[in-house]
Amino acid sequence: AQSVTQPDIHITVSEGASLELRCNYSYGATPYLFWYVQSPGQGLQLLLKYFSGDTLVQGIKGFEAEFKRSQSSFNLRKPSVHWSDAAEYFCAVGSNTGNQFYFGTGTSLTVIP
Amino acid sequence: GAVVSQHPSRVICKSGTSVKIECRSLDFQATTMFWYRQFPKQSLMLMATSNEGSKATYEQGVEKDKFLINHASLTLSTLTVTSAHPEDSSFYICSARDPRSGGAGETQYFGPGTRLLVL
Repeated sequence: AQSVTQPDIHITVSEGASLELRCNYSYGATPYLFWYVQSPGQGLQLLLKYFSGDTLVQGIKGFEAEFKRSQSSFNLRKPSVHWSDAAEYFCAVGSNTGNQFYFGTGTSLTVIP
Repeated sequence: GAVVSQHPSRVICKSGTSVKIECRSLDFQATTMFWYRQFPKQSLMLMATSNEGSKATYEQGVEKDKFLINHASLTLSTLTVTSAHPEDSSFYICSARDPRSGGAGETQYFGPGTRLLVL
């Protein structure tokens, strides 16, 4: 069955520190992978996506993610976190027909000065 | 990226009334839109897939007579919560698939959400 796991419910980092948010997926075919960010009371904004090709993808706001098929992972990284990055982050896997998205439970990021 | 809007952003209603939420794709035509529900501190739960010109496909456990979905044009889908009750209070988010993103795995773009509070 298809599923997405985000092992970390909540992460706290200091401003300027590096960040890695974990995402593991289970999917029967080639996955299409996404990271979204949600600020409080807001919708979801697409940070980046992976369909094929280079396994290291660059997104907006300085984020990047690396697809590792052997580990079924698609971890999100940022070298230096800003206070404005505090939000909820969701990893998702989509089917090749685009009809179904499976979301992880999200990781809440707190940034301390 | 593509822009999806929702209206209203927040609505408070009395128990027993019906509430309509609109989802619009502003700069592209969306043959497929999706409606999600999100409870506090939880992930998104897909409620239904809305296809232009045809009936919506509801996920298991979602009452289609309770949550009426209409997708009458390529840029507008509506969700009507009929005879709303306090347990329907939630954050409702729509998304639209942008076919311009090309090929398989079209990206979904999300609206800003609608906060519904039923008193």
